[in-house]
Amino acid sequence: EAQVTQNPRYLITVTGKKLTVTCSQNMNHEYMSWYRQDPGLGLRQIYYSMNVEVTDKGDVPEGYKVSRKEKRNFPLILESPSPNQTSLYFCASSFSRQGASTEAFFGQGTRLTVV
Amino acid sequence: AQKITQTQPGMFVQEKEAVTLDCTYDTSDQSYGLFWYKQPSSGEMIFLIYQGSYDEQNATEGRYSLNFQKARKSANLVISASQLGDSAMYFCAMREPFSGYSTLTFGKGTMLLVSP
Repeated sequence: EAQVTQNPRYLITVTGKKLTVTCSQNMNHEYMSWYRQDPGLGLRQIYYSMNVEVTDKGDVPEGYKVSRKEKRNFPLILESPSPNQTSLYFCASSFSRQGASTEAFFGQGTRLTVV
Repeated sequence: AQKITQTQPGMFVQEKEAVTLDCTYDTSDQSYGLFWYKQPSSGEMIFLIYQGSYDEQNATEGRYSLNFQKARKSANLVISASQLGDSAMYFCAMREPFSGYSTLTFGKGTMLLVSP
């Protein structure tokens, strides 16, 4: 089954404790992205990757890191989480060759709470 | 300036009625794509419909249609014959060439509630 898998689904952590949210897709997609969703703000892009070893900042990259060492994986790293990073996080992937028409597939979301 | 504007924070509709969710966008590119996603209370993002900037006909997918007015830069979602299961948050989104089409820019969403 074609899917984007995020783990964990739910996470409560303390300020300053490094954490990683994993994302894996099995569709051989070139593009992968991370978004955060906050009430009243919609989804905002954190980082994106156009292919292996190619990453770039989105609209809200501060406090986050990513890496793309393999095509299927795109982990999101919070080196020192703070309460303002409490949010619902989505990983998404899509093909590049179809250009603007390519549909993005989303993971199930990770609800992160930083206390 | 916002690239995607959804002016309706919430909409109410009765079952079996049609409803239009508004979306306007801002881009200087000629080539772009417009999407609608549905997010039920369970949280997942479900792709509904796509409209390309060069498509001459409005996109349709079952009960969903996209009222695309390029000159007005609007891409409204029309849901015909609403069902209780349509109650959800709906997001309009756009792809543009600046990121090689890898970025989806989202609006803030419209919460739709369908009543019996």
